[in-house]
Parts: sequence; structure tokens; C-alpha cells
Amino acid sequence: KQEVTQIPAALSVPEGENLVLNCSFTDSAIYNLQWFRQDPGKGLTSLLLIQSSQREQTSGRLNASLDKSSGRSTLYIAASQPGDSATYLCAVPNGGSQGNLIFGKGTKLSVKP
Amino acid sequence: GAVVSQHPSRVICKSGTSVKIECRSLDFQATTMFWYRQFPKKSLMLMATSNEGSKATYEQGVEKDKFLINHASLTLSTLTVTSAHPEDSSFYICSASPGAGETQYFGPGTRLLVL
Repeated sequence: KQEVTQIPAALSVPEGENLVLNCSFTDSAIYNLQWFRQDPGKGLTSLLLIQSSQREQTSGRLNASLDKSSGRSTLYIAASQPGDSATYLCAVPNGGSQGNLIFGKGTKLSVKP
Repeated sequence: GAVVSQHPSRVICKSGTSVKIECRSLDFQATTMFWYRQFPKKSLMLMATSNEGSKATYEQGVEKDKFLINHASLTLSTLTVTSAHPEDSSFYICSASPGAGETQYFGPGTRLLVL
């Protein structure tokens, strides 16, 4: 059974700092991996989608890497800003590419001005 | 980009009443939609898979008679919480994907509070 773990559970950094969020999964046979952002009381916003054949994806100040063999993904946020404060979730499909997603519990990020 | 909407965004109801939540894919068709529930400080948990034109598939522990799902068209799925109780209070989110291997898009969620 696939399990997704995220560490740390919470992270507080000063503005401007670069940071890394970690995600691990137990079954390396994944189709893709997604990183999401969730603001308090809000739905999810998809940040990056990495296909199983890719090593990384970049969008602005965000860079996500994927190492399938070790069952790990990282989300790198450069030059963090207070507006980056949110909970970040990673998720992998359960089974096929159109299956439901299995989520980690998330990392709650707080960027202090 | 693809958009998924949910209505209502927030609902407060009395114990024993039923509440219907709509999930719509606004600019793409989705044969499959998913319904998740999120309790405070917990991760999203899949409740059921909604299939257009057929019965939903429920996860273990989710009562199908309590959480009625109807996927009437390729752009609309509804979740009805029947005879709601305070323990049903939660954040309900739906998602849909335009196609195989594509990003899943999530609705903004519905906050349900049962008094």
C-alpha cells in the first residue's frame, strides 16, 4: 500500500531564505508526483507535476525534483516571501495515471517578514 | 488553465438535514471525479471515485448510503451528505483531470459545519 510522508511537518524561516521541503513515498512505481499548495481554509492549487520519466520541474522560484528509485521528491523554494506561507502537499496517483491521489500530511510553511 | 468549481463554499446546517455539494469542471470534460475529505490537521483522504454514468466507488469505511454521489454528466458530480451529524463537519474537496497523466485540478472546497 502506497504511503506518502512529508517532513518537516512545519517550518518557519525568515524572508529571503532558500528552503527545501521533503516528500517520500513507499512504492516507487509511480506514474507522476504533484506538489500542491493549500492556504488556510482553501482548496488546493497545483504547483508542479513531475512525470515519472522526469528528474525535475521548475516554475518561477519553485523547483521540484524526483528520484523514483529512492522514493523521494523535494520542493525547493528560492528567496522565500511571506506570501509563500501555506501548507505544501505532495501526492502520487494510486495505481494508474488517472487514479485518485494519495497525499502526504503536508508541511506548514511560515515565512516571517 | 482548467478550472473546477464547487458550490457552496461554506454551509452550516442542523443535525439531521441533508446537504448537497456540487463539483463542476468548467472547461473540460471528466469521466472521473474524486471526492476527498479533510479533517483539521489531517491529510486529504479519498472518500469515493465518481464515475459518469455509473455507480461511484467508495473507499473502505465510507458509507455509500450516507454520502450519495451522482455523476450526471461529464462536467458535474454531486455529493449529498444525508442526515448530517456533527461528526460529518469537515472540509470536502473534489478533483478532476482532463485526461490520463494530466494534472488533477481541485475545486476550492466546501466547508461543512453541522450543528
